[in-house]
Amino acid sequence: AQSVAQPEDQVNVAEGNPLTVKCTYSVSGNPYLFWYVQYPNRGLQFLLKYITGDNLVKGSYGFEAEFNKSQTSFHLKKPSALVSDSALYFCAVGRPGRRALTFGSGTRLQVQP
Amino acid sequence: EPEVTQTPSHQVTQMGQEVILRCVPISNHLYFYWYRQILGQKVEFLVSFYNNEISEKSEIFDDQFSVERPDGSNFTLKIRSTKLEDSAMYFCASSEVLGTSGADNEQFFGPGTRLTVL
Repeated sequence: AQSVAQPEDQVNVAEGNPLTVKCTYSVSGNPYLFWYVQYPNRGLQFLLKYITGDNLVKGSYGFEAEFNKSQTSFHLKKPSALVSDSALYFCAVGRPGRRALTFGSGTRLQVQP
Repeated sequence: EPEVTQTPSHQVTQMGQEVILRCVPISNHLYFYWYRQILGQKVEFLVSFYNNEISEKSEIFDDQFSVERPDGSNFTLKIRSTKLEDSAMYFCASSEVLGTSGADNEQFFGPGTRLTVL
């Protein structure tokens, strides 16, 4: 079985400050890890993924995430938050041989001007 | 930029009725998926579909559910006899078939169909 935990329902950050949205996972074997963002009345938009290789992955809109195997974490980060980053963020895990993704419960990011 | 589209955006139905949710995946994608999100809960995998057959399904995807690719562009989810607990947002997704090891290709999601069963 595979699972994802996003321990924070909401993260508040001031515009221009760095942001972190946390994600930990549990999976048998090597994980495939994803971050998606959802804006109101829109589908889930892909941000970035870790499959293999460099632990730091860069994605869309200046976001990046660091894969930490020993801590089974894949936290999403951005050096300088924008008000337009305010949205719902989902972490997801997959694994080799399966197409199904398992999602976390989502974290609402609120960036204040 | 190509997008996954879904119709209708909102479907209201009576318990016991059949519903068909429709999706148009991105045109060069060959893997298709349905997920659902009950209000306030996690996004859950239902089924994946490739080469005109189901490749993977979850425990949720029982005999009441079926999927079909009736033509070269549409992908549908049918719920045969809806129950109150089927009320949810249903997301369609698609992905390329690059690579052979599974979920390494990102899935592109549609905006969802909100299904309300009364």
